[in-house]
Amino acid sequence: KQEVTQIPAALSVPEGENLVLNCSFTDSAIYNLQWFRQDPGKGLTSLLLIQSSQREQTSGRLNASLDKSSGRSTLYIAASQPGDSATYLCAVKGYSGAGSYQLTFGKGTKLSVIP
Amino acid sequence: GAVVSQHPSWVICKSGTSVKIECRSLDFQATTMFWYRQFPKQSLMLMATSNEGSKATYEQGVEKDKFLINHASLTLSTLTVTSAHPEDSSFYICSARTRDTGELFFGEGSRLTVL
Repeated sequence: KQEVTQIPAALSVPEGENLVLNCSFTDSAIYNLQWFRQDPGKGLTSLLLIQSSQREQTSGRLNASLDKSSGRSTLYIAASQPGDSATYLCAVKGYSGAGSYQLTFGKGTKLSVIP
Repeated sequence: GAVVSQHPSWVICKSGTSVKIECRSLDFQATTMFWYRQFPKQSLMLMATSNEGSKATYEQGVEKDKFLINHASLTLSTLTVTSAHPEDSSFYICSARTRDTGELFFGEGSRLTVL
C-alpha cells in the first residue's frame, strides 16, 4: 500500500526566503506526482505535475523535482511571499490494479510566510 | 483549466438529518468522479469512485448506506450523507476526470458541520 509522507508538517519563514518542501513515498511504481496548494477552507489548486519519466517541472517561482528510485520529491519555492502561505499537498498517482489508478495524498506542509 | 463546482460550500445540519452535496463539471464531461474526505490536519482520504451510469465503488471502511453516491450524468455527481452525526463533520472534496485527457480537476470543497 502506498504511503506518502511530507516533512515538515509546518514551516514558518520570513518573506523573501527560498524554501524546500519534502515529499516521500514508499512505492516507486508511480504514474505521476502532483503538488497542490490548499488555502484554508478551500479546495485544491494544482501547482505542478511531474510524470514518472520526468525529473523536474518548473512554473514561475516553483520548481518540483522527482527522484522516483529513492521515492522522493521536493517543491522549491523561490523568494517566498506572504501570498504563498497555504498548505502544500503532495499526491502520488499509482496503479491500483485492474487497469485503474489511485491518488494517495500526504498530510501536507502548512507554510506561513511572515511579512 | 476546467472547472468543477461543488454546492453547497458550507452546510450546517442537525444530527439525524440528511445532507446532499453536488459536484458538477461545468465545461467538460467527466466519466469518473471521486469523493474525498478531509479531517482537520489529516490528508485527503478517498471515499468512493463513481462512474457515470453505474454504482459507486467504495473504499474499505466507508459505509455505502450512509454515504449515498449518485452519478446520473456526465456532469453531475451527488454525495448524500444520510442520518448525519457529529463525527461526520468534515471537509468533503470531489474531483472529476475528463473524458478526453483523463486529467483530474478538483472542486472547492464542502464543509459539513453536524450539530
